[in-house]
Formats: sequence, structure tokens, C-alpha cells
Amino acid sequence: DTEVTQTPKHLVMGMTNKKSLKCEQHMGHRAMYWYKQKAKKPPELMFVYSYEKLSINESVPSRFSPECPNSSLLNLHLHALQPEDSALYLCASSQRGGATGELFFGEGSRLTVL
Amino acid sequence: GQQLNQSPQSMFIQEGEDVSMNCTSSSIFNTWLWYKQDPGEGPVLLIALYKAGELTSNGRLTAQFGITRKDSFLNISASIPSDVGIYFCASNSGGSNYKLTFGKGTLLTVNP
Repeated sequence: DTEVTQTPKHLVMGMTNKKSLKCEQHMGHRAMYWYKQKAKKPPELMFVYSYEKLSINESVPSRFSPECPNSSLLNLHLHALQPEDSALYLCASSQRGGATGELFFGEGSRLTVL
Repeated sequence: GQQLNQSPQSMFIQEGEDVSMNCTSSSIFNTWLWYKQDPGEGPVLLIALYKAGELTSNGRLTAQFGITRKDSFLNISASIPSDVGIYFCASNSGGSNYKLTFGKGTLLTVNP
């Protein structure tokens, strides 16, 4: 079982909806990540939080808004999404960033935008 | 930007066969990671490598960090049906860099 928990596992939303994806880890990791993954493609980095501060935003559109309420939780707020945003959204954590590199992924939230 | 060339793109093998896949790059990396992803699930870390020349095993899996620090391979011995999935290599250039560079993946199909 993964130690990074994501909810919901599946989400269907319309283009005018506001929804959130949630991620939780209890491994004491200080870096948390959001990735987007299209079918049969590698994960693409969206955001990195390090010690609860946003350290990387990979030029993600503002309709995706990340939030890190504390060191164990990471949210991704979704608003006015487009059908092309449909994908598997993966949360990951690592003990810290940099050379250690070992990311632990959650099972993902499958998002469908109608 | 840094790129990882992962090959082969896909493999179709019979149960019991050995499998080999690799990643190469023109850049030097400090870390090589191998992940496996089942359909609809998140990637699971299989093996992590941190030193040039390092050879590490995890059950039937063996991976090596190339001497030049520009490549890595993953071998699976005596494949079984549950080995089916997409295998990704990933690498990190170290320092304060949080970004992992991923290969495009190898889709493995095992025929029972």
C-alpha cells in the first residue's frame, strides 16, 4: 500500500465547476509535488512545495491552484478547467529535494473534464 | 533541456523470459531511479541508484548506474504475468534540483 494517499480516486467535473484534489502523507517528508500524467506518457511536473513553501511552478495555468496547509497535506484547487486538462493527477513526496531524488507517488486522481 | 532516451518502447515476452531495458542521456546525472506503473495507478519506486558503477538488486530485478553517469539499465529475470506494466527510468542532476527527468517508458507485456 502506498503511504501517499490521494482523494478522490476519480473526479468528473464540468468546465464551470470548482473542485479540489487532496493528498496526504505521514512519512515526515518535507517536499511534496503535483504531477500531471496523460495516458502512456511520463508524469509531468506541475508544482513543488518544499517545507510548505511553493518552490517550483512549471508555468501551470492559473486555473490550477496549489495549496499546502501543513507539511502533511497538499491540495490542488481546480476551477474553469478545459477538457484537455483531463488526466491522471499524481501527488508525490520526498524526504527532501535535491540529490536524494526518491519520490513516492500516490495512486493518483483520475480527472475527467466534460 | 536534459533528456533521457529509454528503450525499448515496448516489449512482448513469454513468461519465464528475462527482460532488459535501458536509459541513456548526453547529460551526467547523480541519481537513477526505476519506477513501475500499473494501469490507473501511481508509479512505484523499484530501485534507486546513487553511485557510478553501483549494481543493486531487488528480488528478480537488477539495475546498474553506468560508469559514465549517463546511463542505467534494468533487468528482470524469470518474468511473471504481474510484471506487466510501464517501466520508467528517472534521474536527478542533484544539488538543490527538485526536478526529476523521466524517460518515456517501456511498456512490458508478458504472455503466460
